[in-house]
Amino acid sequence: QVQLVESGGGVVQPGRSVRLSCAASGFTFDTFAMHWVRQAPGKGLEWVGRISHDGTDKYYGDSVRGRFIISRDNSRNTLYLQMNTLRGEDTAVYYCAREISAPHLDYWGQGALVTVSS
Amino acid sequence: DIQLTQSPSSVSASVGDRVTLTCRASPGVTRWLAWYQQKPGKPPTLLIHAASTLQSGVPSRFSGRGYGTEFTLTINNVQPEDFATYYCQQGISFPITFGQGTRLEI
Repeated sequence: QVQLVESGGGVVQPGRSVRLSCAASGFTFDTFAMHWVRQAPGKGLEWVGRISHDGTDKYYGDSVRGRFIISRDNSRNTLYLQMNTLRGEDTAVYYCAREISAPHLDYWGQGALVTVSS
Repeated sequence: DIQLTQSPSSVSASVGDRVTLTCRASPGVTRWLAWYQQKPGKPPTLLIHAASTLQSGVPSRFSGRGYGTEFTLTINNVQPEDFATYYCQQGISFPITFGQGTRLEI
């Protein structure tokens, strides 16, 4: 069955960096585009960005463009989110998700909490 | 960016009721709209994509309609497990955007 498992979250100081990973299994990873979506505590869903199946095309949300970088290693079936120059408003649960058509998101990981605090 | 506005922000219902949630898009998104359900502490799950296509495994009491700027998600015969927050999402252009959510309460 399809599984997406995020890791790498935790408490990070403002201005510092952290990298999240999303390990995929149960499907042919290199044929699907992937997304990151975040959710601040008690808030709604905010799209972070998307990477094409082969890693050549990337799109980012306005609030993270220039600070966050999405990448993938298809040989390891793993998606990454490099988060730089972190701010308090980046505190959220970060989900990785698989894209189908449109794009819409059919499978989601359980999420990784990143807390930006001094 | 495409703005999605969901209404109402919250709605109360009883088991067995029929509930309709609305999502308005500005500008329009043709049929590229999805609906998700999210329960506390859990990731969202896809219910409907392409405005009206029921995702595999989702009960048939969920249905979606609409095109362009106005979309609805209808839940017939609401069940206890349906009490959750529902989000719409557009996929016609980047950046992808979500509505602010509708909370379905008892």
